Order: sequence, then structure tokens, then C-alpha cells
Amino acid sequence: SQKIEQNSEALNIQEGKTATLTCNYTNYSPAYLQWYRQDPGRGPVFLLLIRENEKEKRKERLKVTFDTTLKQSLFHITASQPADSATYLCALPNAGNNRKLIWGLGTSLAVNP
Amino acid sequence: ETGVTQSPTHLIKTRGQQVTLRCSSQSGHNTVSWYQQALGQGPQFIFQYYREEENGRGNFPPRFSGLQFPNYSSELNVNALELDDSALYLCASSWTSGLSYNEQFFGPGTRLTVL
Repeated sequence: SQKIEQNSEALNIQEGKTATLTCNYTNYSPAYLQWYRQDPGRGPVFLLLIRENEKEKRKERLKVTFDTTLKQSLFHITASQPADSATYLCALPNAGNNRKLIWGLGTSLAVNP
Repeated sequence: ETGVTQSPTHLIKTRGQQVTLRCSSQSGHNTVSWYQQALGQGPQFIFQYYREEENGRGNFPPRFSGLQFPNYSSELNVNALELDDSALYLCASSWTSGLSYNEQFFGPGTRLTVL
């Protein structure tokens, strides 16, 4: 069955550094992958989507890569700020029903001033 | 453009009771998905509605049911509540078309506590 794995340990970095979060998946080849941000007690907020034929996508300080050979996506936040502190989730379409998203557990990021 | 809204924000029920959670989709969206999120977990897909029909379901028992109305608002009903149903329930709206990639726009969630 499909599996998604994200770094389970919280990531602590200094302000101004680049944060890199990992999303690994197994057992199928998704047509796209999404990244979301979630703050405590709130719903996730859509950040970026990357399609299987795209190697890299950027939006302001955010960059996502998608390596379909390694079955991995990397999510980078450059020049990180304390306001970037949140949990970051990756989501993939279900192999049997691409309208159903399968979610990772998320990685907690803390950016220290 | 109006965002996704959910009501109520918090709810406390006891085991065996029934609950109805409500969601208003973002303006222009035709699809609603419901998720259950336990503390420290990612969202778990419950089901999705498109044009008032269920369009996919996750691994949840039949006591979890839903509705989508002509104005694309939606309800999630849970019967015979169990303690493990305590969670944040999230509604997400999206636009389904041949070219869409299912970007989800979430509401703030309803925190359900079952005692």
C-alpha cells in the first residue's frame, strides 16, 4: 500500500538559514505532490504543487523539488524567519482515486531568532 | 472571495451521541472533502463530495456520513460517537475539473471532544 514518510523529528534552525524538509513515498508514482503549512489548531494552508514532469518549483522563499526516481520531494525555505515556524505537510493523490489525498504526518519546524 | 468556514469551532459530546458538523465552501468551488486529524497526525481522508454525490471514501465506518447541498456547502454526521472520534475535523473545498490538481483550501476546523 502507499506510504508517505516525513522527518518525524522536529527541525530547529537559526533565523536566516535554509530549512530543508523531506517527503519520501513508496509503492507508486503520483502525478503530483503538494506541500501545506499548518499552524497549531488551524487547518492546513496550501503552499505549492509540483507535477511529475517538473523537477523544481519556486514561490518567493520556497522551493520544492520532485525526484521521481528517488521517490522523494524536498521542501526548502530560504532566509528562514521565526514566522515560518509551523508544521509542514506533504500530500499525494491516492493511486486508486486521485481525488483522495494521502497525507504525511508532517514535520515541525522551529526557526529561532 | 469568501474562504472556507466551519461551525461550530468546538464541541463536546458524550459517547453514543450524534453530531453534525457544517462547512461552507470557498466561493466558486464545487468539491468538498472532510478529514479527521488526531493530535500529532496528518489529516485522514473521510470522504469527498462532488456535485452532491460522494466521490471517494476513506477507511471510516458507515456511522460517518455526509451531505453536499446545491450551494456546495456540506455536512458531516457522526452517529454513535466513540471516544476515539475526538479529533479536529477539517473541511476542505476545491475545484474539480479536468485540469485541476486538487489543491485543497481548508477551513479552521471543528474540535470535537467525546467524553
